Amino acid sequence: EPEVTQTPSHQVTQMGQEVILRCVPISNHLYFYWYRQILGQKVEFLVSFYNNEISEKSEIFDDQFSVERPDGSNFTLKIRSTKLEDSAMYFCASTGTGYEQYFGPGTRLTVT
Amino acid sequence: GIQVEQSPPDLILQEGANSTLRCNFSDSVNNLQWFHQNPWGQLINLFYIPSGTKQNGRLSATTVATERYSLLYISSSQTTDSGVYFCAVEPASNSGYALNFGKGTSLLVTP
Repeated sequence: EPEVTQTPSHQVTQMGQEVILRCVPISNHLYFYWYRQILGQKVEFLVSFYNNEISEKSEIFDDQFSVERPDGSNFTLKIRSTKLEDSAMYFCASTGTGYEQYFGPGTRLTVT
Repeated sequence: GIQVEQSPPDLILQEGANSTLRCNFSDSVNNLQWFHQNPWGQLINLFYIPSGTKQNGRLSATTVATERYSLLYISSSQTTDSGVYFCAVEPASNSGYALNFGKGTSLLVTP
């Protein structure tokens, strides 16, 4: 069964550094998403992406964040200058022609 | 925005017991999904169920869209069912398909 994959599974970075989280959505899916979950809290929506542009973003998704689909398979989330409060689990998801979202296993980001 | 309320917040069961988790939402939805977050933090898709009833093994789910709630049933619980169960909805009024998650029900199944 096709699945969403994410790399790396765990990333440790120093405050102020740039990080890029990578996702490979299910092929032939059209909509892509990033969510995050701070430890012990609920999952929060960051951004959705369709047809090579952002279709919706939350208040969390400020100028420090950007997304890109650099080729036909990868979908990336970049955090320009990480802060301690960016430490969280980041989930990528994708959707085909329906509404059901398929989530990847997550990348645990730790900012020190 | 849409409100998603899950109950109970915490639940402790003995192995073999049955349970019902509830998700109330405040507006019409295009999408409702149930997830199980395992101890490694992964979100496991359980059901895509904006309306109706589905069953998968010991798990089943029912969504009554007109009354704005969904129920997740776990029968004959096992220790591997432990974890956090999230309900997530996409409002019908939404254009970007963002899922809004509830705070989850934390389930512990003891031997």
